[in-house]
Amino acid sequence: AQSVTQPDIHITVSEGASLELRCNYSYGATPYLFWYVQSPGQGLQLLLKYFSGDTLVQGIKGFEAEFKRSQSSFNLRKPSVHWSDAAEYFCASGGTSYGKLTFGQGTILTVHP
Amino acid sequence: GAVVSQHPSRVICKSGTSVKIECRSLDFQATTMFWYRQFPKQSLMLMATSNEGSKATYEQGVEKDKFLINHASLTLSTLTVTSAHPEDSSFYICSAHRELQETQYFGPGTRLLVL
Repeated sequence: AQSVTQPDIHITVSEGASLELRCNYSYGATPYLFWYVQSPGQGLQLLLKYFSGDTLVQGIKGFEAEFKRSQSSFNLRKPSVHWSDAAEYFCASGGTSYGKLTFGQGTILTVHP
Repeated sequence: GAVVSQHPSRVICKSGTSVKIECRSLDFQATTMFWYRQFPKQSLMLMATSNEGSKATYEQGVEKDKFLINHASLTLSTLTVTSAHPEDSSFYICSAHRELQETQYFGPGTRLLVL
C-alpha cells in the first residue's frame, strides 16, 4: 500500500528565509506526486505535481519541488518565504488511473516577520 | 481553469436532521469525485469515491447508509449526512478528478456543525 510521510508537523521560518518541506513516499513504481496548500478554513490548492520527466518541477507562488527516486523523496522548496505563505502544506501521492490520493499528515508553516 | 465549488460553505443543523452538501466542477467534467473529512489539525480522511452513473465506493469504516453519495451528472456530486449527530460535526471537502491532467482539484470545503 502507498504511504506518504511528512516528518515535520510544524515549521517556523522568518520572512525572507528559504524553506524546505520534506515528503517521503512509499510506492513500488514511480508515483504521481503532488503538493497542496491549505489556508485555515479553506480547501486545498494545487501547488505543483510530478508525473515523469524533469525531476525538478516548478509550481505556483514561487514554489518548486524535486523528485529523488533514490531517497523516495519529493521535497518542496521556496527560496524566499513571504508572510502570506503561512498555511498547512500537504504532500500526496497517487498511482491509479482514477486519481485516488494518499495524503501525508501535513506540515504547518508559520512565518515570523 | 479547474474550479470546484461546494455549497453550502457552512451549515448548522439540529441533531437528527439531514444535511446535503453539493460539489460542482465548474469548468470541466468529472467522472470521479471524492469526498473527504478533515478533523481539526489533522490530514484529510478519504470517505468515498463518487462515480458518475454508478454507486459510490466507500472506505473502510465509513457508513454508506449514513453518508449518502449521489453523482447525478458529470459536474455534480452530493453528500447527504443523514440523521446527523454532534459527532458528525466536521469539515467536509470534495474534490473532482480531471482525467486529462490526472489531478484532483478541491472545493473550498463545508463546515458542518450539528447541535
